[in-house]
Amino acid sequence: GENVEQHPSTLSVQEGDSAVIKCTYSDSASNYFPWYKQELGKRPQLIIDIRSNVGEKKDQRIAVTLNKTAKHFSLHITETQPEDSAVYFCAASISNDMRFGAGTRLTVKP
Amino acid sequence: GAVVSQHPSRVICKSGTSVKIECRSLDFQATTMFWYRQFPKQSLMLMATSNEGSKATYEQGVEKDKFLINHASLTLSTLTVTSAHPEDSSFYICSARVAGAGEQFFGPGTRLTVL
Repeated sequence: GENVEQHPSTLSVQEGDSAVIKCTYSDSASNYFPWYKQELGKRPQLIIDIRSNVGEKKDQRIAVTLNKTAKHFSLHITETQPEDSAVYFCAASISNDMRFGAGTRLTVKP
Repeated sequence: GAVVSQHPSRVICKSGTSVKIECRSLDFQATTMFWYRQFPKQSLMLMATSNEGSKATYEQGVEKDKFLINHASLTLSTLTVTSAHPEDSSFYICSARVAGAGEQFFGPGTRLTVL
């Protein structure tokens, strides 16, 4: 089955700096890659996603890149703000099967 | 976006009792719903995939007789934790997928504490 690895597990940045989180996946058939943000005790919220026919997608301060050949994808957050502090999960999906990475705890220091 | 509700949000029960958690898609029909368990500071672990009108598909290591799943309609799936034990204490989250789409929308979660 699909295996998703996510790095780093924790990331601390200064407000205004950029943050990058990287994930790799094992199954080349995976075709949908969402990123979720989860605040403590709350539900994961979809922040951006990318499908396998696209190499990059951007939404304001958030961007995701996908390298299908290398089977890795990354989340980029620019101009970070304290409210970006949360746990971020990547996922890789084939049809009904979605597997999550272990998560990255991002702390943005004011 | 699509809205998924979950009830109850918190439940405390005694060891040996059963607990039912409901997951509802409020503004769309969800042919497929998913149940996850999340331990503190860990990732979401898929427990089972629930398809409307058919038996759920359980992940390896998840006991189907202990975690009963019923997906009786296109907007409701239930998870019953039978004979709960303290090690079943966790955050249980459901999600629902819009038919034909990839994204999943998550419920707010249920924090189960078994004494």
